[in-house]
Amino acid sequence: KQEVTQIPAALSVPEGENLVLNCSFTDSAIYNLQWFRQDPGKGLTSLLLIQSSQREQTSGRLNASLDKSSGRSTLYIAASQPGDSATYLCAVNREGNTPLVFGKGTRLSVIA
Amino acid sequence: KAGVTQTPRYLIKTRGQQVTLSCSPISGHRSVSWYQQTPGQGLQFLFEYFSETQRNKGNFPGRFSGRQFSNSRSEMNVSTLELGDSALYLCASSLQASGNTIYFGEGSWLTVV
Repeated sequence: KQEVTQIPAALSVPEGENLVLNCSFTDSAIYNLQWFRQDPGKGLTSLLLIQSSQREQTSGRLNASLDKSSGRSTLYIAASQPGDSATYLCAVNREGNTPLVFGKGTRLSVIA
Repeated sequence: KAGVTQTPRYLIKTRGQQVTLSCSPISGHRSVSWYQQTPGQGLQFLFEYFSETQRNKGNFPGRFSGRQFSNSRSEMNVSTLELGDSALYLCASSLQASGNTIYFGEGSWLTVV
């Protein structure tokens, strides 16, 4: 059974700092990995999708990497801003239209 | 284009009652998934529908059911509500396959008292 772990559970950083969020998964036979952002009381917003054949994806100040063999992904946020404060979740699925398995997220606070 | 729309946004029900939640996916999306989110368990998969057929099902009791209509709109129903069913219920849609980006609605907050 796939398990996804995100460490740390919460993180507080000063504005402008570069930071890394971690995601690990137990079964390396994944099809893709997605990073999401969730603001309090809201739904999830997809940030980046990395297919298993890819090593990384970039969008603006965000960069996500994937090391399938070691069961790890990182989300790098450059020059953090208070507006980046949210919970970040990663999720993986297997090939064959299988559902996403989510980690419990990292709650990020960027202090001005 | 319009995003995933869920109704109602907030509702309060009494133990033993039933509830129906609705989800309208992004136009053209044929896959609709439902997730339950609680502080303790995080996001847990309920079920997924594709072209009116349940394609995947999570590990929830039979009190949780769903369906999808020919226009891809979906509903989920929870019967005989329990206090533990209090949660944020999220609907998500995608084009068709697991390789596509998935888009979530704002969710329906259910409180069971």
